[in-house]
Amino acid sequence: SQQGEEDPQALSIQEGENATMNCSYKTSINNLQWYRQNSGRGLVHLILIRSNEREKHSGRLRVTLDTSKKSSSLLITASRAADTASYFCATDAGGTSYGKLTFGQGTILTVHP
Amino acid sequence: SAVISQKPSRDICQRGTSLTIQCQVDSQVTMMFWYRQQPGQSLTLIATANQGSEATYESGFVIDKFPISRPNLTFSTLTVSNMSPEDSSIYLCSVGRQGRIDTGELFFGEGSRLTVL
Repeated sequence: SQQGEEDPQALSIQEGENATMNCSYKTSINNLQWYRQNSGRGLVHLILIRSNEREKHSGRLRVTLDTSKKSSSLLITASRAADTASYFCATDAGGTSYGKLTFGQGTILTVHP
Repeated sequence: SAVISQKPSRDICQRGTSLTIQCQVDSQVTMMFWYRQQPGQSLTLIATANQGSEATYESGFVIDKFPISRPNLTFSTLTVSNMSPEDSSIYLCSVGRQGRIDTGELFFGEGSRLTVL
């Protein structure tokens, strides 16, 4: 089964700096999604990019997808202390697997005020 | 987006006991998904709860250990049976946007954090 792998495992930055997280996966996908989790609570969906898209923006978030390299990156610009959380990528194989996401190991982001 | 309520939010359980987690959604949904997040780990899908039929379990998860009920389109329960410390995890319920799964993204409840002593 495919698994997302993320790097770095942990990232510590100052407020105002940009944060970049990377995700790799192994098999073909229908879409790739990014989620945020604050302190072991529920996950919040951030952004979804489809397999035929290369880049997507949402507010301070920018996601890229390279299906040839089976990789994605999440960029958070002008970070804030409130962005401190764990970030997970998740792949959706589509078809009969709709709704069944395979999550990466996550990146723990700490933004220092 | 769907509003998902889970109970309990956390619990401390004794080895060998069972605990049932409830998930309530504010709209009717066809499929509900139960995930597990072990300490410091990522999420793993346990099973898909289908209304009107038995749940579909992922590899490594069995009905005897994680029985699931789905009595209607807004409610599901997950039971963690005969618990051991290895079952200490956050259990999360999720649904698709407006009950649809073809749009891709999932909405999650706040999770139920179980600690087994």
